[in-house]
Amino acid sequence: NAGVTQTPKFRILKIGQSMTLQCTQDMNHNYMYWYRQDPGMGLKLIYYSVGAGITDKGEVPNGYNVSRSTTEDFPLRLELAAPSQTSVYFCASSYAFSSYEQYFGPGTRLTVT
Amino acid sequence: AQKVTQAQTEISVVEKEDVTLDCVYETRDTTYYLFWYKQPPSGELVFLIRRNSFDEQNEISGRYSWNFQKSTSSFNFTITASQVVDSAVYFCALSEAPRAGNNRKLIWGLGTSLAVNP
Repeated sequence: NAGVTQTPKFRILKIGQSMTLQCTQDMNHNYMYWYRQDPGMGLKLIYYSVGAGITDKGEVPNGYNVSRSTTEDFPLRLELAAPSQTSVYFCASSYAFSSYEQYFGPGTRLTVT
Repeated sequence: AQKVTQAQTEISVVEKEDVTLDCVYETRDTTYYLFWYKQPPSGELVFLIRRNSFDEQNEISGRYSWNFQKSTSSFNFTITASQVVDSAVYFCALSEAPRAGNNRKLIWGLGTSLAVNP
């Protein structure tokens, strides 16, 4: 049982480039989330999804896009990368919201230079 | 407004000491959930415990224990006889029941970095 997997683990982007961070979960969870974690800070929610075909913005959605075509996959798209998007990105999933814990992927460390 | 405060930014102890990590939360809801997560140096986030607002029983799991007190809005985490492997950043988080306008986010504290030295 792999849980939540993310690829890539590391990536360096130049300003203005685009990329997609992949996230897959095999727990049949309805809810999936994307967070970013900046040094010394807690996690900030970028986008979340309550099921296939349904996504919504979190606290810091600007500069990102998501899609959820299947229960398992929840890719995060960065368009026109900026240095402010240098961060560690975590994908998570949960069976439901609020009362259920979230399971996290190993993270993607992104540097934009 | 919802808020989670972990006032201790960094704690350093010597192995076998007991250590308590504080978590104070704010919410206007009567139904809410509290969580602790561990982030070891390897970076992944590991779920430790969940507690709902109607269950104030303390919980013990091996060397870990949690003290939930609604009267002081606190959900503190104690590690007994700490070990080097306990070195990590520990996050406390709050979630409220889903409702209109609630964007289903966990409210995270900024974390407490615990260093357990041999």
